[in-house]
Amino acid sequence: GAVVSQHPSWVICKSGTSVKIECRSLDFQATTMFWYRQFPKQSLMLMATSNEGSKATYEQGVEKDKFLINHASLTLSTLTVTSAHPEDSSFYICSARGSGAGGGHTQYFGPGTRLTVL
Amino acid sequence: AQSVTQLDSQVPVFEEAPVELRCNYSSSVSVYLFWYVQYPNQGLQLLLKYLSGSTLVKGINGFEAEFNKSQTSFHLRKPSVHISDTAEYFCAVSEKTSGTYKYIFGTGTRLKVLA
Repeated sequence: GAVVSQHPSWVICKSGTSVKIECRSLDFQATTMFWYRQFPKQSLMLMATSNEGSKATYEQGVEKDKFLINHASLTLSTLTVTSAHPEDSSFYICSARGSGAGGGHTQYFGPGTRLTVL
Repeated sequence: AQSVTQLDSQVPVFEEAPVELRCNYSSSVSVYLFWYVQYPNQGLQLLLKYLSGSTLVKGINGFEAEFNKSQTSFHLRKPSVHISDTAEYFCAVSEKTSGTYKYIFGTGTRLKVLA
């Protein structure tokens, strides 16, 4: 149980284009989803938190207009990197958290998406 | 705000030897602690968690951790490691920030199991 998928697993795009990454909770309802960014050999950096049906909350220093997050349903959140530039190249990982005693704190992570901007 | 310290950035250990990966957190009233493993180019997989109850927590793949409130530690242990345990290990604490619980991660420990 508690499986989270991400699509695509890797994507290469040209500078200036937009890229959408999907995060799905497959066997539970995710009341909250998180988007992280991970640089090589480093820990995860939280970018934003989204609750179903609400606007995402972005961490300090993360550009809202560049990283658009939509959490339209209890099983799907999307991250769109708009007007991507080479410095946006990174490994993006989502996580999902359900509600209730078992899921109140635990985040389940997707497999990640490797974005390369040329 | 909470902080999580993983003092060892790399831990080399021979196959079938025991290993301990250290994690310390800053003091707080309520503590919710987690260990995750990350294999190359993959997401994080939950190894174990402490939310309440018994301070000795058993997880998957033969790992266990002990919550020690007086020492503010949550060290991860395995009595006998395998080559397949080679990976990055992250300790995390769940903390309420701006009305929602978020993770604070440690910097990670790279476990390298040698044949």
